[in-house]
Amino acid sequence: EDQVTQSPEALRLQEGESSSLNCSYTVSGLRGLFWYRQDPGKGPEFLFTLYSAGEEKEKERLKATLTKKESFLHITAPKPEDSATYLCAVQGRGNTPLVFGKGTRLSVIA
Amino acid sequence: ETGVTQTPRHLVMGMTNKKSLKCEQHLGHNAMYWYKQSAKKPLELMFVYSLEERVENNSVPSRFSPECPNSSHLFLHLHTLQPEDSALYLCASSQDRGWGQPQHFGDGTRLSIL
Repeated sequence: EDQVTQSPEALRLQEGESSSLNCSYTVSGLRGLFWYRQDPGKGPEFLFTLYSAGEEKEKERLKATLTKKESFLHITAPKPEDSATYLCAVQGRGNTPLVFGKGTRLSVIA
Repeated sequence: ETGVTQTPRHLVMGMTNKKSLKCEQHLGHNAMYWYKQSAKKPLELMFVYSLEERVENNSVPSRFSPECPNSSHLFLHLHTLQPEDSALYLCASSQDRGWGQPQHFGDGTRLSIL
């Protein structure tokens, strides 16, 4: 059974204090690993797809990396507007559905 | 209008009412999904439609009834709901089902059952 575990559950950072969020996964034949951002009262907003170990994607202050067992979302010099819940999901081989983690709630304090 | 649009944004209903949630996608995608999001739980997949055909039903109670009249529209018909059904209901779409395609979400309907 495909599984996703995200840590930490919550993270509080000072503005400019870089850190990383972790997504550990088990899946039969990875088709894709997805990162989303969700603001309160909104739906998840797609950030990145990673397909194979060693792959990296960047967008502004965010950088996602992938190994065979986990993915990291690195946040460099975060700003208060980066505060949100970050969700990780994986899809296995075939037409299996996405499996989501519970998310990491990030708060960036000015 | 772009993206995935859900209406209504908020819904309060009694346990004996019947209501429907609506989702419309303007992305030209072939697959659409309903998810339930409850506090401190991962997103739970409810239904998947691919090219207007229901291809997945994750043991969802019959009080939830989906309908997909065309590839751009998806409905979730609700009747005789229970208090534990109070949650955020999210609609999503993707180019195709599977094959590592990202899903794009609407902003959801916040449902409260009295």
